Amino acid sequence: GAGVSQSPSNKVTEKGKDVELRCDPISGHTALYWYRQSLGQGLEFLIYFQGNSAPDKSGLPSDRFSAERTGGSVSTLTIQRTQQEDSAVYLCASTPTPAGNSPLHFGNGTRLTVT
Amino acid sequence: DAKTTQPPSMDCAEGRAANLPCNHSTISGNEYVYWYRQIHSQGPQYIIHGLKNNETNEMASLIITEDRKSSTLILPHATLRDTAVYYCIVRSISSGSARQLTFGSGTQLTVLP
Repeated sequence: GAGVSQSPSNKVTEKGKDVELRCDPISGHTALYWYRQSLGQGLEFLIYFQGNSAPDKSGLPSDRFSAERTGGSVSTLTIQRTQQEDSAVYLCASTPTPAGNSPLHFGNGTRLTVT
Repeated sequence: DAKTTQPPSMDCAEGRAANLPCNHSTISGNEYVYWYRQIHSQGPQYIIHGLKNNETNEMASLIITEDRKSSTLILPHATLRDTAVYYCIVRSISSGSARQLTFGSGTQLTVLP
């Protein structure tokens, strides 16, 4: 079946420009997570959605980062006025419920390069 | 969440079983053991998870010791496509525990032809 889909797979942008990253979770998955992974590093949590609401957005690094989810499905992560330190792979994951025994299924990420 | 310790690298001959160990000596009773793998340029792929009992699915088997302080992921017939970094993590049963998802360094498994 279809997995988590992210687009674009690669994005190169100039410093100061805004970018939008999209995540299509697995159908029926109520919980959706955004992480980022810098080169050779582990996962850094950004935000968690349950349905369309975000009970935990504590991982967003600054007010330049925002995310929304509509229809309990697609989510968009927006980074305004991008900086070079924003360069990373942005990963989206979904799971049927937020409980700890519910495996996260990840997309292949969007590789963001800010020049 | 409890920390895990894994060997940095392992080799395995194609067609043989790959046994990947993980130590999680500080695991608590409400924490699951999860295994993921990551192939270069792809997102982490879920493999298997368990609480106390051994588990098996179409990808692998998970053997958890009786004291739950360590576990072994078994790929019964490794193929070249199984070459990846394998991560063992522990995760609380509570909702929202995915916030603390910590992958660590993992084990680089190389399957040799």
